[in-house]
Amino acid sequence: AQSVTQPDIHITVSEGASLELRCNYSYGATPYLFWYVQSPGQGLQLLLKYFSGDTLVQGIKGFEAEFKRSQSSFNLRKPSVHWSDAAEYFCAVAHSWGKLQFGAGTQVVVTP
Amino acid sequence: DAGVIQSPRHEVTEMGQEVTLRCKPISGHDYLFWYRQTMMRGLELLIYFNNNVPIDDSGMPEDRFSAKMPNASFSTLKIQPSEPRDSAVYFCASSSQGLAESYEQYFGPGTRLTVT
Repeated sequence: AQSVTQPDIHITVSEGASLELRCNYSYGATPYLFWYVQSPGQGLQLLLKYFSGDTLVQGIKGFEAEFKRSQSSFNLRKPSVHWSDAAEYFCAVAHSWGKLQFGAGTQVVVTP
Repeated sequence: DAGVIQSPRHEVTEMGQEVTLRCKPISGHDYLFWYRQTMMRGLELLIYFNNNVPIDDSGMPEDRFSAKMPNASFSTLKIQPSEPRDSAVYFCASSSQGLAESYEQYFGPGTRLTVT
């Protein structure tokens, strides 16, 4: 069965430091992978997606993610976080057309 | 485009009352999804529609929940009767089966439902 695991429930990072959020998936075929961000009181916004091709994907707000098939991972990174990056981040995999399975989310807290 | 529109943004109701949540998808999108988000269960897909037809309602928790999509620009999620355990944030999302946009879902701001 397909699954998405985000091992870190909560991460605290200092403003200006780098950030990496982990995502592992279990999927039989080539996965379609996504990272979404949810700011407090808001809906989910797509940060980036991977379908095929270059395994390093650039997204909005300075985020990037790298697909590693051998590790079944799709980790999200940002070189230098800003206070506005405090939010909850969700990794997702497309089951079949239309259905996304979301991970449990990682809450990111940014300290001054 | 205004994005996905949901109403109301907040709803407080008493147990046993009927609750109707509304969603207007992005114009031209042919898929519509209803999700529920709680602390305990995270983000759950309740039901989704393609071209106004329900495709998969396996996530609907029980018969108290029903969803309709009478036309391409409007959908409702109804809970009757409501119970305190239905308290959650309900999201609507839409997407388009275009080559470059397949699978990408656009979310509304959500409706925060509190059942007392």
